[in-house]
Order: sequence, then C-alpha cells, then structure tokens
Amino acid sequence: DAGVTQTPRHEVAEKGQTIILKCEPVSGHNDLFWYRQTKIQGLELLSYFRSKSLMEDGGAFKDRFKAEMLNSSFSTLKIQPTEPKDSAVYLCASSLAPGGNTEVFFGKGTRLTVV
Amino acid sequence: GDSVTQTEGLVTLTEGLPVMLNCTYQSTYSPFLFWYVQHLNEAPKLLLKSFTDNKRPEHQGFHATLHKSSSSFHLQKSSAQLSDSALYYCALTHNNAGAKLTFGGGTRLTVRP
Repeated sequence: DAGVTQTPRHEVAEKGQTIILKCEPVSGHNDLFWYRQTKIQGLELLSYFRSKSLMEDGGAFKDRFKAEMLNSSFSTLKIQPTEPKDSAVYLCASSLAPGGNTEVFFGKGTRLTVV
Repeated sequence: GDSVTQTEGLVTLTEGLPVMLNCTYQSTYSPFLFWYVQHLNEAPKLLLKSFTDNKRPEHQGFHATLHKSSSSFHLQKSSAQLSDSALYYCALTHNNAGAKLTFGGGTRLTVRP
C-alpha cells in the first residue's frame, strides 16, 4: 500500500512568490492534516479536513496559507506570498477515521526554503 | 485547550544505557497518548499508543505507561541502541478532537557508541 505522498520533496522560492505543495493521502483515509515542522516550534497544525470538509485551519496561518481538498485523494497547500520565515518542513498526514484512538500516517514532507 | 510538554529538547546518551523521555499533558477530556518517532529525512511514524485498559504498550523495546494521576506518558527503554537516534514526539488526542493530534515540542535523542 502506498503511504502518504508529498511533492515536491524540496522547494526553493524567492520572497513574495506563490508556491503550491501537494499531498496524496493514504487511499480510503477520511481525515487529512497539514502540519508545519520547525526546530523551534515543533509540529504546528495548519489545516484539518474531514471527508473533504475543512474542520480547522490554524488561526495564525490564515492570512497567507490556504489548504484545499479538491477530492478525497488530493490536497494542496498554497502559500501566498512566501516570506523567509516560512522556511520549514511541511508535513501532510492522513487517518482512516475520526476516532481518538486512530493512527495518523505522515508523509516525508516538503522542505521549503524561502530566500 | 489541550497541551503536551516534553521537557528535554535534546538527550544524548551512550549505547546500552537506559532511555527515559518525559511527556506530560493537559486535557479536559479523557486522552489517548501517542509516541511518534522520526528518523532523519523520514516521515514521523507511530511508535506507541496508550490503551484504554491500562495495558502497557511496547514496541521495538520501548514502552510507556499512561499515568492519569500525574498526567504523564513517559517513554522508556532499558538499553539504548545506535539506531534509536531520532526525533521523538509525544502527542495527544481524544474523541472530541477526532484524529487531530496535539504534539509536544519533541525530543531529539542521540545515542553514541
């Protein structure tokens, strides 16, 4: 079985550019998450979808970050415009069911560098 | 709201010595606790999760016990191996949060020969 697939694995953007990160969740999973990972802040939730509906989008990230689920097997995270402080690893994750005891599966992430 | 605290950002120890990584939490709901491990350039993966019936979960020599009285879920291993070097995250969820995880800040474990 394929796990969570994220593309690209690395992205370099100039300040002010628009970038789009892509994610394919595990087939059949209903919940999808976007997290930002940095050494200082650890893992921060950006967005949470359940059955393609946006359940939560992290308040601090609302202005320049927009996640969408175009269908149950594909999601994008758009950052517009990018700033150097956005340099981080962006992780996508999915889960089969919303129960509290359900395992969450992560992709390997996209490492974004904004110069 | 929910929160998870991992007090050590970095832990370095010698192969063969015991490992203990701390995790405490706060939640107004009955929580499920998890440990995720991330090796370099890899995806975070589930290492352990708490059971509802007080069983002690174990995997790859690691174990953790959920102590509701002290709101803790410390990760332990009796003898560290070089391959244990990785980033470890403690995380929490509950039935009201669905599968959404609240993570601690992470502990980077380095095991030296």
